[in-house]
Amino acid sequence: DQQVKQNSPSLSVQEGRISILNCDYTNSMFDYFLWYKKYPAEGPTFLISISSIKDKNEDGRFTVFLNKSAKHLSLHIVPSQPGDSAVYFCAAKSYNQGGKLIFGQGTELSVKP
Amino acid sequence: DTGVSQDPRHKITKRGQNVTFRCDPISEHNRLYWYRQTLGQGPEFLTYFQNEAQLEKSRLLSDRFSAERPKGSFSTLEIQRTEQGDSAMYLCASSRINTEAFFGQGTRLTVV
Repeated sequence: DQQVKQNSPSLSVQEGRISILNCDYTNSMFDYFLWYKKYPAEGPTFLISISSIKDKNEDGRFTVFLNKSAKHLSLHIVPSQPGDSAVYFCAAKSYNQGGKLIFGQGTELSVKP
Repeated sequence: DTGVSQDPRHKITKRGQNVTFRCDPISEHNRLYWYRQTLGQGPEFLTYFQNEAQLEKSRLLSDRFSAERPKGSFSTLEIQRTEQGDSAMYLCASSRINTEAFFGQGTRLTVV
């Protein structure tokens, strides 16, 4: 039972354009969502998060949008840079699960110069 | 703050051998998590500690797996009688309560 799904295994965008990474979830108990970025041979690095009481959170070039009714969130990167090329994981947790994260399968972003 | 540290970075072992991995969390973090990641998948939760207490174990954690966190500081994950299906990246993360988790660089296990 995949509670967090990232249906696009890969995404390619041109430098300077917007990257949009999508994530869907099924468990309505999730109340906090996170995006992690992962380079090969390294552990995931925290990028940005959003609480279920918000619908948008912005940090520099990164914005996360949450649509609770659709159980959907997205990560926007504007403008995209070649250094953003990595695998991006969406993760979710619920307040009564002790911080345990449920991850999606990841989307590999390639930003071409 | 030196981040989460894992040792070793790579481990190759023969099937049937026991292996042990170590994780040193960020010092002021009282929660410590173990995850496993296989190719093409996201990290899967294995177990977590709050201080020295192991509060949850995933069904993925068979009886060949055991984790400890003595004194609520570093943690070890031991796999007994390794199988080829245990080959994966083992990730450790730590956090304060209700904050984001920070991951180590992982231990890549190859069982031959």
